[in-house]
Amino acid sequence: DGGITQSPKYLFRKEGQNVTLSCEQNLNHDAMYWYRQDPGQGLRLIYYSQIVNDFQKGDIAEGYSVSREKKESFPLTVTSAQKNPTAFYLCASSSGTGGYNEQFFGPGTRLTVL
Amino acid sequence: GQSLEQPSEVTAVEGAIVQINCTYQTSGFYGLSWYQQHDGGAPTFLSYNGLDGLEETGRFSSFLSRSDSYGYLLLQELQMKDSASYFCAVENYGQNFVFGPGTRLSVLP
Repeated sequence: DGGITQSPKYLFRKEGQNVTLSCEQNLNHDAMYWYRQDPGQGLRLIYYSQIVNDFQKGDIAEGYSVSREKKESFPLTVTSAQKNPTAFYLCASSSGTGGYNEQFFGPGTRLTVL
Repeated sequence: GQSLEQPSEVTAVEGAIVQINCTYQTSGFYGLSWYQQHDGGAPTFLSYNGLDGLEETGRFSSFLSRSDSYGYLLLQELQMKDSASYFCAVENYGQNFVFGPGTRLSVLP
């Protein structure tokens, strides 16, 4: 079955530690995205990538970093510079951008920083 | 700046029709999408409008007026399973996606 996987589903970290969230897709999609969602809020774009080895900052990139070394993978690192990292993180992919653009989302990772 | 506005909550009864509005202000505009998200779950795509007018997909329809920077999602024959949050989203010319704050729909028996 094609889809997007994120791991782990729940993640706990101590304050000051970097943590990397995994996102893998087997949909052969070129574009991938990372969003952050806080309780009762909408999704905010952290980073996106339209092609391998290229990525762009979204609205809230500070304190986060990404890489896109393979088409299938787009890991997100939450660094210690992120002041309030506890949130629900969603990864998505789409076949393209600029027009009709159905994004397929993974199940998400709930990060809690203690 | 870029912003989208939606009502925060809507309540309706089973079998009814409900309309969720979305107004937007963005730098450049490709189209308006709608997503559904159940509590604790991931968003799922519902519809897309790139041109003015109405798009119908089963019980759901979506409308766009580019001149008014306005769109809506229309849900007909409401079912209990439609209780969820609904988000409008805009893709602007920078391929930057902006989501609205979401509308929580409660369907009552």
